Amino acid sequence: QLQLQESGPGLVKPSETLSLTCTVSGGSISSSSYYWGWIRQPPGKGLEWIGSIYYSGSTYYNPSLKSRVTISVDTSKNQFSLKLSSVTAADTAVYYCARLFWVSGRFDYWGQGTLVTVSS
Amino acid sequence: QSALTQPASVSGSPGQSITISCTGTSSDVGSYNLVSWYQQHPGKAPKLMIYEVSKRPSGVSNRFSGSKSGNTASLTISGLQAEDEADYYCCSYAGSSTWVFGTGTKVTVL
Repeated sequence: QLQLQESGPGLVKPSETLSLTCTVSGGSISSSSYYWGWIRQPPGKGLEWIGSIYYSGSTYYNPSLKSRVTISVDTSKNQFSLKLSSVTAADTAVYYCARLFWVSGRFDYWGQGTLVTVSS
Repeated sequence: QSALTQPASVSGSPGQSITISCTGTSSDVGSYNLVSWYQQHPGKAPKLMIYEVSKRPSGVSNRFSGSKSGNTASLTISGLQAEDEADYYCCSYAGSSTWVFGTGTKVTVL
């Protein structure tokens, strides 16, 4: 059974860089059928797609966040990571990693999510 | 890239049917049959309920069904049950390898 687990600091200071890692177990991140994505959800609000990555390293970002986002993949560790720079309180959210089966447009496996708070 | 528009809330009595709409544009919902729906209970991760507009993953009740007309997709829950009370989000491919979620709908079982 595929499992995804987010990890990283739960508190980040304003103007600094948020860094999270998603560890995939029970399957290979190098599978040609899937992309891997980050989605966030501010407290009490809706879901927002942040970006996706293919195991080859090809990346796709939400245009509204593109200037601040970097997603990378480490196939040797079966992990992919998110960096969001110059954070503000508006970036406080639960961050989810998920598997994207692109051809059918479905995020079919999700991590449990991790709350990141931006505060001094 | 704007969020897809969903009603903030929908309610129904046990056994009834409800429908949640998801309105996008000709650049997303209207152009691709890559609309999915997610159920989210409080404090939990979203769960895939429908993909490719109307397909159900294995294990999802056949009380859940999806459809699309023009720029609007819809999720129908028939035979409403207490366990269906949750937030629901639609998601659509928006071109150029990007994805957009809906604003979310809170379903209340009266």
